[in-house]
Amino acid sequence: KAGVTQTPRYLIKTRGQQVTLSCSPISGHRSVSWYQQTPGQGLQFLFEYFSETQRNKGNFPGRFSGRQFSNSRSEMNVSTLELGDSALYLCASSLRSEESPLHFGNGTRLTVT
Amino acid sequence: AQKVTQAQTEISVVEKEDVTLDCVYETRDTTYYLFWYKQPPSGELVFLIRRNSFDEQNEISGRYSWNFQKSTSSFNFTITASQVVDSAVYFCALSERRAAGNKLTFGGGTRVLVKP
Repeated sequence: KAGVTQTPRYLIKTRGQQVTLSCSPISGHRSVSWYQQTPGQGLQFLFEYFSETQRNKGNFPGRFSGRQFSNSRSEMNVSTLELGDSALYLCASSLRSEESPLHFGNGTRLTVT
Repeated sequence: AQKVTQAQTEISVVEKEDVTLDCVYETRDTTYYLFWYKQPPSGELVFLIRRNSFDEQNEISGRYSWNFQKSTSSFNFTITASQVVDSAVYFCALSERRAAGNKLTFGGGTRVLVKP
């Protein structure tokens, strides 16, 4: 079974630009979550989608948004990039609920200059 | 609000030594789930174990063992006879049932360095 796939692996953007990250979950997994990892703040929850609906949301500004498609694939968008958005963005998929382990992708390393 | 604390930021050991990683959590929910993940240098978080709040049975899996104590809100992880391949950052995480979905709160992580 293929794991969680995130594209691209690396991105370099300029302040003010916007970026879209993509995530393909494990086949059969309907929940997709996104996390931001930085040296200063650690791993922080961004949002979770289940059956194309946002089910949970973390404490991030509205510049961070996401969506999920009918095939469970998910995208995350960050608009008006700031230097502080430089981070490793991790996508995770799971079967269903809060007790299900998350299976993570390799992440997208975003650098904002 | 939920919180996970991993007081040890970095642990360095020599191969074959045992290493114990501490994890203390806070939650108001009566039903919750605890997890440990490993993050090797490649960056991908690898799931190691899940524990339910109503199951305090300790678990051993090969060289890994976990000690869950509800009375002290701790979920500690021990690597026995450590190997160089165990070098990674280890994260403890908490999920609450009332979140009605997947929302993990992670600890700050403990970097384990195993020297040959």
